[in-house]
Amino acid sequence: GAGVSQSPRYKVAKRGQDVALRCDPISGHVSLFWYQQALGQGPEFLTYFQNEAQLDKSGLPSDRFFAERPEGSVSTLKIQRTQQEDSAVYLCASSWKSMVNTEAFFGQGTRLTVV
Amino acid sequence: AQSVTQLDSQVPVFEEAPVELRCNYSSSVSVYLFWYVQYPNQGLQLLLKYLSGSTLVKGINGFEAEFNKSQTSFHLRKPSVHISDTAEYFCARGSSNTGKLIFGQGTTLQVKP
Repeated sequence: GAGVSQSPRYKVAKRGQDVALRCDPISGHVSLFWYQQALGQGPEFLTYFQNEAQLDKSGLPSDRFFAERPEGSVSTLKIQRTQQEDSAVYLCASSWKSMVNTEAFFGQGTRLTVV
Repeated sequence: AQSVTQLDSQVPVFEEAPVELRCNYSSSVSVYLFWYVQYPNQGLQLLLKYLSGSTLVKGINGFEAEFNKSQTSFHLRKPSVHISDTAEYFCARGSSNTGKLIFGQGTTLQVKP
């Protein structure tokens, strides 16, 4: 596709429900990042993949959060037993190389609301 | 720990006036700095970046920023803003070996007619 695609755009979950958020990166991009953006805040790093390898998951806030990228392209961020504090916009970004001088392209995000 | 601080949460300005959005970073040996813009319900778009070399960086949409090592700042400027510049602006610093970004809290630029 032309850009990074995320689905769904909006998700309302009842507290305790499991959710799965999908990211389709730009074709051929090696690096994939997930960020969490709470209301009125800047994005915060969650996790990073290089191809299918998850090289950094230091930002995942709890063991309820799990991300995967099994074939090195599409990635899924899963949140188990959602809590109200999980309400945020989840942003995915991809870049064609794992270096700081390579531009990261962001998707439009998935807005998760936990009620 | 590496950090980025955006000193103003909101900046109101009239159309065609100049604007400066402030950003300071915690000092370290290698610094890679970025400005992103986020329009409502959109993802982030890169405005400009400083990796090395000239301290004055020009970006898209008429924006520019100056890397100041002594003041650990990377302020974003535009000489004349348009209504369409109304958006959220984020300063960020990058990791050299992964491209991971650390963002500031953002500054809302409100351009008034």
